[in-house]
Amino acid sequence: GAGVSQSPSNKVTEKGKDVELRCDPISGHTALYWYRQSLGQGLEFLIYFQGNSAPDKSGLPSDRFSAERTGGSVSTLTIQRTQQEDSAVYLCASSPQGAYGYTFGSGTRLTVV
Amino acid sequence: AQSVSQHNHHVILSEAASLELGCNYSYGGTVNLFWYVQYPGQHLQLLLKYFSGDPLVKGIKGFEAEFIKSKFSFNLRKPSVQWSDTAEYFCAVNAPGGSYIPTFGRGTSLIVHP
Repeated sequence: GAGVSQSPSNKVTEKGKDVELRCDPISGHTALYWYRQSLGQGLEFLIYFQGNSAPDKSGLPSDRFSAERTGGSVSTLTIQRTQQEDSAVYLCASSPQGAYGYTFGSGTRLTVV
Repeated sequence: AQSVSQHNHHVILSEAASLELGCNYSYGGTVNLFWYVQYPGQHLQLLLKYFSGDPLVKGIKGFEAEFIKSKFSFNLRKPSVQWSDTAEYFCAVNAPGGSYIPTFGRGTSLIVHP
């Protein structure tokens, strides 16, 4: 596609439920990143995929968070047993190999009630 | 690991005023530097980037930034702001010799009064 597509754009869930957030990167971009944006906190790195290499999961805040990337394209971020502190905007970005510039999606606003 | 500091969290200006947003990073090696902008209700967009060469970088919408290696700084400037520049501005750095994961600053909220 022309840009990075994320779905859903908004998600309200009850505390304790699991959620899945989806990211469709730009076709041909081998690198994919997930970030979390909380009010006044900037962008917090979560996980990085590069081609077929093992992902860099160093930013995941707890074992309730996981992500996968199928076929080197679409990625899904899963949050299990959601907590109120998980409420944030989850951003996905992709870049060509070498990462000389990142294109961001519009994000998924997650609200845990 | 690299880190990025944006010292101005909130900036309020009147139209036609000059703008300078500070960005300092900590990393001893070669870096790539970026400024991103997020307009209200929109996604992050690249304003400008520095990889090598001329340390004064021109970006879109009249923005520029200067890389000063000795100061580990990459400040964003615009000589005359407009109301439409009201947005959140993020500085970011990555290390091309290692992980390509960009580290972002906390952002600066700019409000321009007409």
